[in-house]
Amino acid sequence: NAGVTQTPKFQVLKTGQSMTLQCAQDMNHNSMYWYRQDPGMGLRLIYYSASEGTTDKGEVPNGYNVSRLNKREFSLRLESAAPSQTSVYFCASSEARTLYEQYFGPGTRLTVT
Amino acid sequence: QKEVEQNSGPLSVPEGAIASLNCTYSDRGSQSFFWYRQYSGKSPELIMFIYSNGDKEDGRFTAQLNKASQYVSLLIRDSQPSDSATYLCAVWPSSGSARQLTFGSGTQLTVLP
Repeated sequence: NAGVTQTPKFQVLKTGQSMTLQCAQDMNHNSMYWYRQDPGMGLRLIYYSASEGTTDKGEVPNGYNVSRLNKREFSLRLESAAPSQTSVYFCASSEARTLYEQYFGPGTRLTVT
Repeated sequence: QKEVEQNSGPLSVPEGAIASLNCTYSDRGSQSFFWYRQYSGKSPELIMFIYSNGDKEDGRFTAQLNKASQYVSLLIRDSQPSDSATYLCAVWPSSGSARQLTFGSGTQLTVLP
């Protein structure tokens, strides 16, 4: 089992460029999440998907879109990257019965110049 | 005021000592509390959770909860250099709120050999 995988691991974008962060899990979890982590700010929820076919906004959704492609995959898109989106992005997944026990992917370190 | 507050540290303790990590939360109705450990450059992993007032022990780790004071702590006994990491406190909100984990900004712990 690979658990939660994310691609790419590192990315540098110029302001205004777009990109999609990919996430996949092989644990048959219903719920998936996208967080960003900035120094001194902890983990902040961007979007989540409670189940296949549903997505909801988290604490900091502006500038992002998501797609729950199927039960395994949950992608995060930046349509027009801004320097304020420089961060480490984590994808996570959890069982429906234990939503708090979230399994995290290795992260994507994104720099927007 | 942030919903979940932690001292950012860094906290340094000598090997073999007790490390005490503290967390306060603002949602008085919160029911469930979690500690995640994050090694430098890695993703967070769940290490402890507690629901009831009092202490919960798991090996060298003890979680303590005082709902009246809205305070949760993590004690690490016989600290080892391998315990050096950032510890994130997370809170599951009360019913009726958005049912997602809220994380503190983390406390960086260094255990000195």
